[in-house]
Amino acid sequence: NAGVTQTPKFQVLKTGQSMTLQCAQDMNHEYMSWYRQDPGMGLRLIHYSVGAGITDQGEVPNGYNVSRSTTEDFPLRLLSAAPSQTSVYFCASSWGIQGALGYTFGSGTRLTVV
Amino acid sequence: SQELEQSPQSLIVQEGKNLTINCTSSKTLYGLYWYKQKYGEGLIFLMMLQKGGEEKSHEKITAKLDEKKQQSSLHITASQPSHAGIYLCGAGAFGGGADGLTFGKGTHLIIQP
Repeated sequence: NAGVTQTPKFQVLKTGQSMTLQCAQDMNHEYMSWYRQDPGMGLRLIHYSVGAGITDQGEVPNGYNVSRSTTEDFPLRLLSAAPSQTSVYFCASSWGIQGALGYTFGSGTRLTVV
Repeated sequence: SQELEQSPQSLIVQEGKNLTINCTSSKTLYGLYWYKQKYGEGLIFLMMLQKGGEEKSHEKITAKLDEKKQQSSLHITASQPSHAGIYLCGAGAFGGGADGLTFGKGTHLIIQP
């Protein structure tokens, strides 16, 4: 049981480049979400999804796109990378209304934009 | 939007001592999650509290939820080096957290031998 798998673990981009951060879960979880973690800012919600075909914006969605074509995958796209998007990105998934088992987090992607 | 304030921001505790971390919400809490993060790693789920007055324990870590105060506390008894890390509280807007979680900025815990 792999849980939540994020790829790549590390990435360096040049300003203006685009890329996709991959997130896959094998637990049949309905809910998935993306966060970025910056020093002194904690984790901030970028986008979330409550099921396949349904996505919505979180607290800091600008510069990012998401789609959810399957239950398992929830990729995060950076359209035109900017130095302000240098951060650690986490994907998480959960299930059920109660969510008593909490969100399961991936190990993160460290992104540097130069 | 909901805001979670954690206190203290950092804590240095001698091994074997007890400690408490607090998380206060700006809005009504419908569910409060506690996570631990080792430096440079992902988040590990500790526990979730849903009802006022609820208390849960996991090994030497106990968390309580005070609905009236919109606050949760995390208490570690007889701290060990393995307890070191960042503790984060999170809350969903509608209980189950289907719309993702809002997190506090975290409490950095250092255990001194």
